[in-house]
Amino acid sequence: NAGVTQTPKFRILKIGQSMTLQCTQDMNHNYMYWYRQDPGMGLKLIYYSVGAGITDKGEVPNGYNVSRSTTEDFPLRLELAAPSQTSVYFCASSPGLAGTDTQYFGPGTRLTVL
Amino acid sequence: DQQVKQNSPSLSVQEGRISILNCDYTNSMFDYFLWYKKYPAEGPTFLISISSIKDKNEDGRFTVFLNKSAKHLSLHIVPSQPGDSAVYFCAARYAGNMLTFGGGTRLMVKP
Repeated sequence: NAGVTQTPKFRILKIGQSMTLQCTQDMNHNYMYWYRQDPGMGLKLIYYSVGAGITDKGEVPNGYNVSRSTTEDFPLRLELAAPSQTSVYFCASSPGLAGTDTQYFGPGTRLTVL
Repeated sequence: DQQVKQNSPSLSVQEGRISILNCDYTNSMFDYFLWYKKYPAEGPTFLISISSIKDKNEDGRFTVFLNKSAKHLSLHIVPSQPGDSAVYFCAARYAGNMLTFGGGTRLMVKP
């Protein structure tokens, strides 16, 4: 049981390039999330999904896209990378319970845009 | 507009003493609060939580207190251990399962 896995661990992009951050969970969780963490700041929600085929915007969605074709995978796409997207990106999943739902996080992807 | 704030960026405590990490929030609609712990180069891991209908929840060395009238919660770690050195994030739940995070407090426990 690997939990939430993310690839790559590190990546450097040039301005204007595109890339996809991969996220996979093996806990059969319904909910999945993408966050970014800037230095000295808390995590900000980019996009989330409550199930396969359903996605919605979080607090900071501009410049990103997501898809959820399976329960396990929730890739995050960056189009036309900008320096402002330099951050650490965390994927998380949760069962989607009404009461005491807990989010489980992957190890993160550190992205630098130069 | 930060709805969840951790006003102390860092805290240093001697091993064996109590660590108290604080968190303030502004949105009275938050119904569930969580603390996450994060080591360098790892993702946050869940530590302890509390429902808005309670004022205290305890799990071993970790206790979370909630003061709804003051919109304040705190995490107590007793006794503190060097392995507790990490960044601690307070988070509050809204709109189903969405979380808003504070900026984090770096705890350093000195041997």
